[in-house]
Amino acid sequence: NAGVTQTPKFQVLKTGQSMTLQCAQDMNHEYMSWYRQDPGMGLRLIHYSVGAGITDQGEVPNGYNVSRSTTEDFPLRLLSAAPSQTSVYFCASSAQDRVDGELFFGEGSRLTVL
Amino acid sequence: RKEVEQDPGPFNVPEGATVAFNCTYSNSASQSFFWYRQDCRKEPKLLMSVYSSGNEDGRFTAQLNRASQYISLLIRDSKLSDSATYLCVVNKINTGTASKLTFGTGTRLQVTL
Repeated sequence: NAGVTQTPKFQVLKTGQSMTLQCAQDMNHEYMSWYRQDPGMGLRLIHYSVGAGITDQGEVPNGYNVSRSTTEDFPLRLLSAAPSQTSVYFCASSAQDRVDGELFFGEGSRLTVL
Repeated sequence: RKEVEQDPGPFNVPEGATVAFNCTYSNSASQSFFWYRQDCRKEPKLLMSVYSSGNEDGRFTAQLNRASQYISLLIRDSKLSDSATYLCVVNKINTGTASKLTFGTGTRLQVTL
């Protein structure tokens, strides 16, 4: 029962470096999304996808890119890391893009940008 | 005003106590409401949906007050294992899409012996 798998779990970057957070789900879910969680703030949506080949921006998309070439994978790319991107990142999926659908989250990726 | 507001806590209660959390939301057009549970340094997991008529799942009861725009979560007979942060989740506007969910900052519960 893998569910939603995120890698890496921890990463330290220097300002200006790029990296990709990987997310894969084995539940054949159409909807996938990336959130960031910061102290004192709720989970904020970065990007989301309602199916392979379709992506859209969430609340805080600047500095991040995504792609969805397959149903299973939804990587998040940081183009040029900044200290403001220090956060915990969660990938989540749902069977459909429905507000009443349960979101299944990965275990999170803790990113520190120095 | 934040779209979803919660008292951050922590709520420190003894085992066996009853504890209630409230969450207020700003958009009167919101239609869908949920409680998620997040253990320390773990991912959020759905605890329960909140229905207009109120709903119960074992020791947990969720209620919705549309007139006052708040949602509540009541936990009876608290267990040590209930220690976690409880996230209130509301849809941002009157849409049925998952991308329009707004998460509260969470209320931390610590149950002690």
